[in-house]
Amino acid sequence: NAGVTQTPKFQVLKTGQSMTLQCAQDMNHEYMSWYRQDPGMGLRLIHYSVGAGITDQGEVPNGYNVSRSTTEDFPLRLLSAAPSQTSVYFCASSYRGSSGYTFGSGTRLTVV
Amino acid sequence: AQTVTQSQPEMSVQEAETVTLSCTYDTSESNYYLFWYKQPPSRQMILVIRQEAYKQQNATENRFSVNFQKAAKSFSLKISDSQLGDTAMYFCAFKGLARGGGGADGLTFGKGTHLIIQP
Repeated sequence: NAGVTQTPKFQVLKTGQSMTLQCAQDMNHEYMSWYRQDPGMGLRLIHYSVGAGITDQGEVPNGYNVSRSTTEDFPLRLLSAAPSQTSVYFCASSYRGSSGYTFGSGTRLTVV
Repeated sequence: AQTVTQSQPEMSVQEAETVTLSCTYDTSESNYYLFWYKQPPSRQMILVIRQEAYKQQNATENRFSVNFQKAAKSFSLKISDSQLGDTAMYFCAFKGLARGGGGADGLTFGKGTHLIIQP
């Protein structure tokens, strides 16, 4: 089925470990973005991309890294996990932003 | 930077009633898009309705409609004939068109309203 695929769905990390959250879309969308959702905070933008090779920071970028080598993939890297990064992470894509974003099913990350 | 405010953390109504969720936003842009997303307990984010700021006509999708007041920067969601399956978190979101930082190329979300439909 067409859409946004995120892996893994759940992950537990130890403080200081690194990992990559995967995001792939098969709709040929130019815009992709990563959000984190914390209780009572809504969703906050971490990083976004408007096309292959183009990325930029959102509202809460510290501790995260992204790259976009293809239109389809937009991985999010945690460089050195901290308990403050415990959250639910969503990847989303859009044709050009105006039609709304399609979201993946999310990754629940716990850092202990 | 844009901000989106949802002033109702939680609302509860009886099945079949009509409910209105409020959303206000702050921006200096004149062209932008507004969205309502639904997040049921499954965690999936589902687009409910979208509004283009340059269109005066309020958007409607079946039982869902909006009251868009551009001058007041208000974007409320009305759910008619509410159903048990409407129970969810509802998020209002803003998408500007200006390039640059502050989330202009992603969505800015409110903190959400937890809507509970009682049988």
